[in-house]
Amino acid sequence: QKEVEQDPGPLSVPEGAIVSLNCTYSNSAFQYFMWYRQYSRKGPELLMYTYSSGNKEDGRFTAQVDKSSKYISLFIRDSQPSDSATYLCAMSESQAGTALIFGKGTTLSVSS
Amino acid sequence: GAVVSQHPSWVICKSGTSVKIECRSLDFQATTMFWYRQFPKQSLMLMATSNEGSKATYEQGVEKDKFLINHASLTLSTLTVTSAHPEDSSFYICSARGTTQYFGPGTRLTVL
Repeated sequence: QKEVEQDPGPLSVPEGAIVSLNCTYSNSAFQYFMWYRQYSRKGPELLMYTYSSGNKEDGRFTAQVDKSSKYISLFIRDSQPSDSATYLCAMSESQAGTALIFGKGTTLSVSS
Repeated sequence: GAVVSQHPSWVICKSGTSVKIECRSLDFQATTMFWYRQFPKQSLMLMATSNEGSKATYEQGVEKDKFLINHASLTLSTLTVTSAHPEDSSFYICSARGTTQYFGPGTRLTVL
């Protein structure tokens, strides 16, 4: 079993839809959870950064962490065509001190 | 947010030659930088952790004599792919540790 599992998709939604992206993990020592957005042939861009369990909201994006279930989610409200990208979850045991363990990424396509 | 640059953004080289990729943190000092490799439709895989002033730590399966890493200052780490072969063709991405990890835009290497 891989440390981080993420459905690669692709996921296609119409503009304005609510998008739910998810990752599961096996290492209970993970404490820091991140979501990155990666456009084709570009480096990942940090979207959300959370510590331990709970919710965090930033504009149209909401990140949720459930450590008891080893499950994290990213919700995108009112999705836009510009949200079309690959979304990578990542996690680590310490605050940026160790390398991140990434999911495979979910490719999202938002059609207008 | 923090800015990390990479140079070059893309490079094409002949088999057997060496290629150097630079990673710079532009507005912060980074004692630790990470080098990742990403094949098409795959996630980012950590190659090595680069610490300023000391030897890099390589992940299992990554040849340290082939992928030379130098972290000579707090703002610069370099990755040299020596005697490159077509199977080394990939997208190489660095990240620098700040409050979290900030990624560079990536370098696409094509070995003919």
